[in-house]
Amino acid sequence: KAGVTQTPRYLIKTRGQQVTLSCSPISGHRSVSWYQQTPGQGLQFLFEYFSETQRNKGNFPGRFSGRQFSNSRSEMNVSTLELGDSALYLCASSLMTDQETQYFGPGTRLLVL
Amino acid sequence: SQKIEQNSEALNIQEGKTATLTCNYTNYSPAYLQWYRQDPGRGPVFLLLIRENEKEKRKERLKVTFDTTLKQSLFHITASQPADSATYLCALPDRGSQGNLIFGKGTKLSVKP
Repeated sequence: KAGVTQTPRYLIKTRGQQVTLSCSPISGHRSVSWYQQTPGQGLQFLFEYFSETQRNKGNFPGRFSGRQFSNSRSEMNVSTLELGDSALYLCASSLMTDQETQYFGPGTRLLVL
Repeated sequence: SQKIEQNSEALNIQEGKTATLTCNYTNYSPAYLQWYRQDPGRGPVFLLLIRENEKEKRKERLKVTFDTTLKQSLFHITASQPADSATYLCALPDRGSQGNLIFGKGTKLSVKP
């Protein structure tokens, strides 16, 4: 079974631009969570989607948004990029929501200049 | 709010020795606690989950303990190998937000031959 895939793997943007990241969960998994990882803050939860609905949201500004499609694939969008948005963005999938074990993708490394 | 502290940012040990990593949490006792391994440039990989009513769990050379009185979990790697070198993350569920994991900042383990 293929693992979680994320595209693109690397991205360079400039301040003020917007970016869309994509995540394809493991086949059959219906829950997708997004995390931001930085050296200073570690891994921080952004949001979780299940059956195309956002179930949970972390403490991030409204510039961070996401959605999930009927095939469980998910996208996250960051608008009006700031330098501090430079991070590794990780997507994790699980079979159902409230699932204990999450399977992470390789991440998208975003650099904002 | 819940906070996780992984006491050592880095741990250097000699091959063959036992590595012991510490995870402390500050607030409520979680229903379970997880340990993940993360290699550079990759997403975290799930290793072990231990529930609040379990004192100890083992998987091959890995052992995890969970002490709800001390609000602490210990993660042991016995007979460590250079291939065990990685960052190890402790995670537990956010009580107010099911499906959301709170992560520690990790301990970077280096096993020298």
